[in-house]
Amino acid sequence: SQQGEEDPQALSIQEGENATMNCSYKTSINNLQWYRQNSGRGLVHLILIRSNEREKHSGRLRVTLDTSKKSSSLLITASRAADTASYFCATDHPGATNKLIFGTGTLLAVQP
Amino acid sequence: NAGVMQNPRHLVRRRGQEARLRCSPMKGHSHVYWYRQLPEEGLKFMVYLQKENIIDESGMPKERFSAEFPKEGPSILRIQQVVRGDSAAYFCASSPSPGASVDFGSGTRLTVV
Repeated sequence: SQQGEEDPQALSIQEGENATMNCSYKTSINNLQWYRQNSGRGLVHLILIRSNEREKHSGRLRVTLDTSKKSSSLLITASRAADTASYFCATDHPGATNKLIFGTGTLLAVQP
Repeated sequence: NAGVMQNPRHLVRRRGQEARLRCSPMKGHSHVYWYRQLPEEGLKFMVYLQKENIIDESGMPKERFSAEFPKEGPSILRIQQVVRGDSAAYFCASSPSPGASVDFGSGTRLTVV
């Protein structure tokens, strides 16, 4: 299976609710990044968290990293219809020449 | 700063033809990466290049696929004798240095008919 696995695969919520997506990985990492992809479009970088960090905030986004459990979560607070997209985690690894390993993504649908 | 520019946005090729995908990295970025995304899947790493050098091509199919990043001009991903299974979105990304966050282009969607 892929290095990064997102959970859940799909999530549907109402506008104003919070959305939490999880990502697990298998081997040690340098850092972990979250990206958003709108349907048929490119990826937008959301946030990068380094392996020595535990939590990071950016606007309505909150990312946590637990290296002991090899997992990360992305929380979107007060969701909006415009947050509807697929969300991917990506990890890079020591000695892996800077390539990113992507998970399979969580498809988030925010109902207005 | 125009960001990572890829062209064309959409490319249709018949089986057996060649596909050339271009990527101009962000200004000041000398590290370029190519990824492929099949429908309903995440991105898969293909190749990592610096100017005039291939650093890591562990994700590239051994046959028909090649990539370059010349001293002048964009990076090119070339697929010879395309087959239906090559239909996918191909994304280019760039970064100023290893370990920095990468910026992605909007992708080229290749359809092989």
